[in-house]
Amino acid sequence: NAGVTQTPKFRILKIGQSMTLQCTQDMNHNYMYWYRQDPGMGLKLIYYSVGAGITDKGEVPNGYNVSRSTTEDFPLRLELAAPSQTSVYFCASSYSQGVTYEQYFGPGTRLTVT
Amino acid sequence: GEDVEQSLFLSVREGDSSVINCTYTDSSSTYLYWYKQEPGAGLQLLTYIFSNMDMKQDQRLTVLLNKKDKHLSLRIADTQTGDSAIYFCAWGTGRRALTFGSGTRLQVQP
Repeated sequence: NAGVTQTPKFRILKIGQSMTLQCTQDMNHNYMYWYRQDPGMGLKLIYYSVGAGITDKGEVPNGYNVSRSTTEDFPLRLELAAPSQTSVYFCASSYSQGVTYEQYFGPGTRLTVT
Repeated sequence: GEDVEQSLFLSVREGDSSVINCTYTDSSSTYLYWYKQEPGAGLQLLTYIFSNMDMKQDQRLTVLLNKKDKHLSLRIADTQTGDSAIYFCAWGTGRRALTFGSGTRLQVQP
């Protein structure tokens, strides 16, 4: 199993550009999440999904959109990039039947907006 | 609201014990977790404790939970250079997402 994979690993965007961060998991997890990690900070939840076709906002959803057309994929879209979106983005997934809520993380995408 | 405090940095010598602390305000979670983040990598679950327990031991790791004071700690015995990383405390909410502390960077000196 590859686990949770994310692409790209790094990206530099100009202000106003758009991009999609890709996330795929091969563990058949129902739950998937997008977090951002700013320097010296913990992770903040952007969006999450409890299954294909179902998404919901987290703590910091402004400036982002998501979709969940399949169990495996959970892309994150930035429409008009702003410097405040410079961060490291982590995708994660978890079992829907587990009781411990353990989340499995991808390696992250480091995004710089200039 | 939810708020967490973790000290930013801890430096220890190889072979010593490390103690990483976390103070939180939201006590509704069933499980509390410790995640480890190595440089350039995602987070990895290290251990967890059920909220009705006071202590859990897992090889070199000991988790202590003081619910009255809302204090969680992680003790690493015989700390090794491979333990150098950032450690996050976290807990689950009703929507199954996690709330994370700001992280403690552990540096292990040879």
